Amino acid sequence: GAGVSQSPRYKVAKRGQDVALRCDPISGHVSLFWYQQALGQGPEFLTYFQNEAQLDKSGLPSDRFFAERPEGSVSTLKIQRTQQEDSAVYLCASSSTLATGGGREQYFGPGTRLTVT
Amino acid sequence: GQQVMQIPQYQHVQEGEDFTTYCNSSTTLSNIQWYKQRPGGHPVFLIQLVKSGEVKKQKRLTFQFGEAKKNSSLHITATQTTDVGTYFCAGPGSGGYQKVTFGTGTKLQVIP
Repeated sequence: GAGVSQSPRYKVAKRGQDVALRCDPISGHVSLFWYQQALGQGPEFLTYFQNEAQLDKSGLPSDRFFAERPEGSVSTLKIQRTQQEDSAVYLCASSSTLATGGGREQYFGPGTRLTVT
Repeated sequence: GQQVMQIPQYQHVQEGEDFTTYCNSSTTLSNIQWYKQRPGGHPVFLIQLVKSGEVKKQKRLTFQFGEAKKNSSLHITATQTTDVGTYFCAGPGSGGYQKVTFGTGTKLQVIP
């Protein structure tokens, strides 16, 4: 079946612009994660959804970052008034498990590379 | 906060040599996962370890979870050029739910 897809794959934004990044998880996966990965670093957790509920947003770096998953499937990560430090790859991952404590494997999408100029 | 460190940060090996990366957590982990990320790619799940002292093998890869569940290792026997990439361990983050904290990663380069 289809894996996790993300769009756009690349996004160049001028400083101050708003951007919206889309994630289509694997069908039926209840858990959805967003990560930010800077060059040469590991993925950094941003937020977690269980179905449509955003249960953890502790990793969002500022109130310019907003994520939603209104129908429990597709998710959008929005960044307002982008800054240069927002430049990174934004990864989405989904998982079939509901279990707490780390759950099971996550299936990652290809990521969106955001460059803020 | 919780930290997950990996050593070494980089490793260059000759094809056919063995490779090991070590993962150390500042807190006890209920489980640990390992992911591989090829250059330009996204993380791909390799395995999850749950039990203290657990050892799992996948062909040339051997994964181990420490007795105290604060450390883990990945050993690759007789590396191949297809093993090139960055290997991350990942464990449950503090704060509940399914937050996952990724390690700092070990970048493996295999010289043919």
